[in-house]
Amino acid sequence: DAGVIQSPRHEVTEMGQEVTLRCKPISGHNSLFWYRQTMMRGLELLIYFNNNVPIDDSGMPEDRFSAKMPNASFSTLKIQPSEPRDSAVYFCASAILTGSYEQYFGPGTRLTVT
Amino acid sequence: SQELEQSPQSLIVQEGKNLTINCTSSKTLYGLYWYKQKYGEGLIFLMMLQKGGEEKSHEKITAKLDEKKQQSSLHITASQPSHAGIYLCGADSQGAQKLVFGQGTRLTINP
Repeated sequence: DAGVIQSPRHEVTEMGQEVTLRCKPISGHNSLFWYRQTMMRGLELLIYFNNNVPIDDSGMPEDRFSAKMPNASFSTLKIQPSEPRDSAVYFCASAILTGSYEQYFGPGTRLTVT
Repeated sequence: SQELEQSPQSLIVQEGKNLTINCTSSKTLYGLYWYKQKYGEGLIFLMMLQKGGEEKSHEKITAKLDEKKQQSSLHITASQPSHAGIYLCGADSQGAQKLVFGQGTRLTINP
């Protein structure tokens, strides 16, 4: 199995630009999570989906952030417009809904907003 | 909201030595997860504990959840360079899927 796939691995953009992060979960997993990791705040859950439906987006910082999961094999996290304080590593993780909730993480996307 | 505090924040040990990392929760834990992260990479699942008093081992790493289910410890025996990285504990206090994480413990192994 290829594991959770994220793209791009690195993104550098200017303030005000739109940024789209992509995630392909492990085949057969029906839960998907988006996290953000920074030195100051650590690892934070932004939003998660079960069976492609958003369940909890209370961690999304503001309206500039949006996430979609159009099908079981693809999700996007979009930031529009981006700001320097959005610079962080964004992780996607997937899991099987039932059972131990063990989450499998992707390698992350390192976002730098200048 | 639940908070997890890890100690120590960083740890430097000589190769071959034993070490312990602690994770203390502000609320009762329904599930406690230990992950390891290497720089520039994602998190790797190590173990999950659910029952008070539970103990699990994987190779030279042992994790325990205390009886009151508010603290967990991760113990590494005879540490090796491959153990170096950041160890994070995560918890789902509401018995749901939302995990909150500790700030991490950075482990360095000196040869």
